[in-house]
Amino acid sequence: DVQLVESGGQLIQPGGSLRLSCGASGFTFNSHEMNWVRQAPGKGLEWVSYISSSGSTTVYADSVKGRFTISRDNARNSLYLQMNYLRAEDTALYYCARGLVVIPADLVAFDAWGQGTMVTVSS
Amino acid sequence: DIQMTQSPSSLSASVGDRVTISCRTSQSVSNYLNWYRQKPGKAPELLVYAASRLQSGVPSRFSGSGSGTDFTLTISSLQPEDFATYYCQHSYKGPLTFGGGTKVETK
Repeated sequence: DVQLVESGGQLIQPGGSLRLSCGASGFTFNSHEMNWVRQAPGKGLEWVSYISSSGSTTVYADSVKGRFTISRDNARNSLYLQMNYLRAEDTALYYCARGLVVIPADLVAFDAWGQGTMVTVSS
Repeated sequence: DIQMTQSPSSLSASVGDRVTISCRTSQSVSNYLNWYRQKPGKAPELLVYAASRLQSGVPSRFSGSGSGTDFTLTISSLQPEDFATYYCQHSYKGPLTFGGGTKVETK
C-alpha cells in the first residue's frame, strides 16, 4: 500500500526554523513528483511547494518563497521541507502529497496524501 | 495568479440526492482542473483529474465536466460517506491554487 508519513511538526516561536520530513513507502518514490500542501485550522487547502522526481526543479507559493526550501532524498524515499523565518500565518497542518503520473505530464494532481503534521507558530 | 471560485460554499442534501458543485477560474485552465473530497479530520482524496477523468478506485457516482473556465463536479446519488468538503484545484500555469471549498451537509 502507498504510505506517506509526515513528521517534524511542533510548536515554534515566530522567526524560528523547522524541518518537516515525509517518509514514503509502497511505491517507486523516484518516479513521482512530490508536493507540500497545508491547511490552516478550519480553513481550506493551500499548495506550498513542488519538487520534480529528480529534485532538479522546485516551485514555491509566493507566501513562502525565500523562506521555505523543498528537497528530497530518493535513496531514502524521503521528502523534506525546511521552514525558516516562520510566521504566525504559517500555522497549519502540513501534508505531503504525491504527484499523479499522467499525460499530459505538466498536469499536476495529488493522488496520495499523508495524514499531516501540525506546525504551530506562536510565542 | 489564477483565481478559483467554488459555488455554493455549502449545501444541504439527503442520501440519494443528485449534487452539483461548480468551480469557475479567472482565466482559462484548459482541462487542467482536479477535484478532491475531504472527509472531516481526514486528508483529501483525489476524485477527478483533467476535468473529467475518474481517479482509479473512485466510485462511478462521481463525474466531472467542463473546460476553459467553468467546471462541474456531480455526485449522481449522494452516499453517507459523501458528506464532506469538496475542493477544485488547477495546475495550468503559475502557482497551483485550490478553490475555497464546498461543504456538503445533511439536510
